[in-house]
Amino acid sequence: SYVLTQPPSVSVAPGKTARITCGGNNIGSKSVHWYQQKPGQAPVLVIYYDSDRPSGIPERFSGSNSGNTATLTISRVEAGDEADYYCQVWDSSSDHNYVFGTGTKVTVL
Amino acid sequence: EVQLVESGGGLVQPGGSLRLSCAASGFTFSSYWMHWVRQAPGKGLVWVSRINSDGSSTSYADSVKGRFTISRDNAKNTLYLQMNSLRAEDTAVYYCARDPSSGWYDYWGQGTLVTVSS
Repeated sequence: SYVLTQPPSVSVAPGKTARITCGGNNIGSKSVHWYQQKPGQAPVLVIYYDSDRPSGIPERFSGSNSGNTATLTISRVEAGDEADYYCQVWDSSSDHNYVFGTGTKVTVL
Repeated sequence: EVQLVESGGGLVQPGGSLRLSCAASGFTFSSYWMHWVRQAPGKGLVWVSRINSDGSSTSYADSVKGRFTISRDNAKNTLYLQMNSLRAEDTAVYYCARDPSSGWYDYWGQGTLVTVSS
């Protein structure tokens, strides 16, 4: 089955840029979606189709995808961005391959 | 406003059964595929099951295949997950999520906790 690997944690100072990677075999050929989850809350979509932002998501959130790595970038990080972030793909080679990454805890210093 | 509200979670003994519901509002429920995703305490998100818009096609994770059944009632705008032969490892918060196209999720419910323990 398809595996998505994320770093367990990323630490960033306020105002700086956080980059969260999502590694997978030839992930650049797939569409990657990103979710933010704060403690005790449901996940929230922040990026879909690699780089599109849903309405209401700040422009500070952006995404890219190429080769074996997709990246979620959070610019001008704020305290409110502290959360777990998950990448996700649908691996069309199998009907039941809806795959989430291992998750990354973003800590704002 | 799109709303997904899960219910039906609780404490159940190993081997027992539980039915989860997800009441949808604010959109044309019958037009969307729907999914269940779970999250064990302190762990990551794991896909459980999905159903197409008219209920004619379903899919399951290997870990629940043969024990869980996803269904929907489009007249009642409600998604279900029938869970049988529950195991301790099924303990998790279960979320329903809307799939706008090709396996991603634009709206999630608040989740319902299922605890399997004696």
